[in-house]
Amino acid sequence: EDKVVQSPLSLVVHEGDTVTLNCSYEVTNFRSLLWYKQEKKAPTFLFMLTSSGIEKKSGRLSSILDKKELFSILNITATQTGDSAVYLCAPHSGAGSYQLTFGKGTKLSVIP
Amino acid sequence: NAGVMQNPRHLVRRRGQEARLRCSPMKGHSHVYWYRQLPEEGLKFMVYLQKENIIDESGMPKERFSAEFPKEGPSILRIQQVVRGDSAAYFCASSPTSGIYDEQFFGPGTRLTVL
Repeated sequence: EDKVVQSPLSLVVHEGDTVTLNCSYEVTNFRSLLWYKQEKKAPTFLFMLTSSGIEKKSGRLSSILDKKELFSILNITATQTGDSAVYLCAPHSGAGSYQLTFGKGTKLSVIP
Repeated sequence: NAGVMQNPRHLVRRRGQEARLRCSPMKGHSHVYWYRQLPEEGLKFMVYLQKENIIDESGMPKERFSAEFPKEGPSILRIQQVVRGDSAAYFCASSPTSGIYDEQFFGPGTRLTVL
């Protein structure tokens, strides 16, 4: 059975801190890995990673994938209160259906 | 350019009633996915549909649940004879193709509460 484990499950930091969120996975027919941010509504897309070792960057957020060790990390530098959300990791898997398998997420709380 | 739309946003049903959840994909998208999020759990895949076809329903319970995506109109997730355990947030996502390198765009979800 496909498995996605995110850690930590929750995290409280102060504004300006840097955080690293972890995602390890075991899925059949791995294609790519997606990161989403969920703030009480629709998950919004952050990154799609397909190749090992290539960092994707968007502003203060960056992410990287290790297909050999089966994990990905999401970094957020200089955190702001607006970064408070649940961050979801989702490998893209499943022959013929391309379903996303989600982890439980990491709940990040950024306090002023 | 509207995103994925779902309605209703909140739905309350009594045990034994039927629930109908609707999803209109983004313009130009012909692939729809339904996910369920139970309290304190991650999103779980339920079903993947293209227009008039169910491609993969491996995540959907065999009984009481059905899904369709007709040629015209929104995709519908139907739950018959709801039970308390069906209370959850149901999210719909769409993509332009089923390509492995396409992100899925999510709607705001329907929160179903079964009394």
